[in-house]
Amino acid sequence: QVQLVESGGGVVQPGGSLRLSCATSGFTFINSAMHWVRQAPGKGLEWLAFIQSDGSSQSYADSVKGRFTISRDDSKNMLYLQMNSLRAEDTAVYYCAKDYNFNWCVEYWGQGTLATVSS
Amino acid sequence: QSALTQPPSVSGSPGQSVTISCTGTSSDVGTYNHVSWYQQPPGTAPKLMIYGVNNRPSGVPDRFSGSKSGNTASLTISGLQAEDEADYYCNSYTGSDTWVFGGGTKLTVL
Repeated sequence: QVQLVESGGGVVQPGGSLRLSCATSGFTFINSAMHWVRQAPGKGLEWLAFIQSDGSSQSYADSVKGRFTISRDDSKNMLYLQMNSLRAEDTAVYYCAKDYNFNWCVEYWGQGTLATVSS
Repeated sequence: QSALTQPPSVSGSPGQSVTISCTGTSSDVGTYNHVSWYQQPPGTAPKLMIYGVNNRPSGVPDRFSGSKSGNTASLTISGLQAEDEADYYCNSYTGSDTWVFGGGTKLTVL
C-alpha cells in the first residue's frame, strides 16, 4: 500500500531554514507527480507546491514562491521541501502528498510533520 | 489564489442528507472539472472522497456524491452516519499546475 512518511520538522527561529523530507513506498515513484500541502494549527488546508513526475517543472503558491523549493530524488524515492526565510505564519503541519495521475488532485497523504517558527 | 468559500459548519441527524457548498470563480471551479473533496477526522490526515467533480475512489461509500453548477461545487452525504463527522475540504485545479483549497466545513452529526 502507498506509504508517505514525512520528517524534518521542528522548531526554528524566524528567518531560519528547514528541509522537510518524505520517504515514499508502495507505488512507482518515478511515474508520480507529488505535492506539499500544509495546515496551520486549527486552520484549513493550504496547497503549497507541485513537482512533475520527471522533475521537469515545479509550481508554487504565491505565499511561498521564492522562499520554498520542492525537489525529488528518484533514486531514493524521496520528496523534499526546502524552506527558507521562515516566518511565524509558516508554522504548520506539512503534508507530503501523491498526485492522482491524470485526475488533477491529491490522491494519498502522509501523516504530516510539524514545523514551528518561533523565537 | 484566494481560498474557495465553504460554510464553516453544517449539521444533520443520522439518516438525513447534508450538502456542503464550495464557491470559487471562473478561474477555478467555473473553468475546470477538477474539483475534489477531502474528509479529515480530528487529528488525522485528509482522505480523498470525490475527484473530478463526481467520481468516487474505490472504497468510498456511494452515500457520498459530488456535483457542480457554474462556479459552485457541492458535496452531498446521504444517510448520515456518526462516522461521517469530520472536517470536509473542497479543492480545485486553477491552471498552470496550481491548486486551491476551500476553507473547510465542520460536519456535526447530531
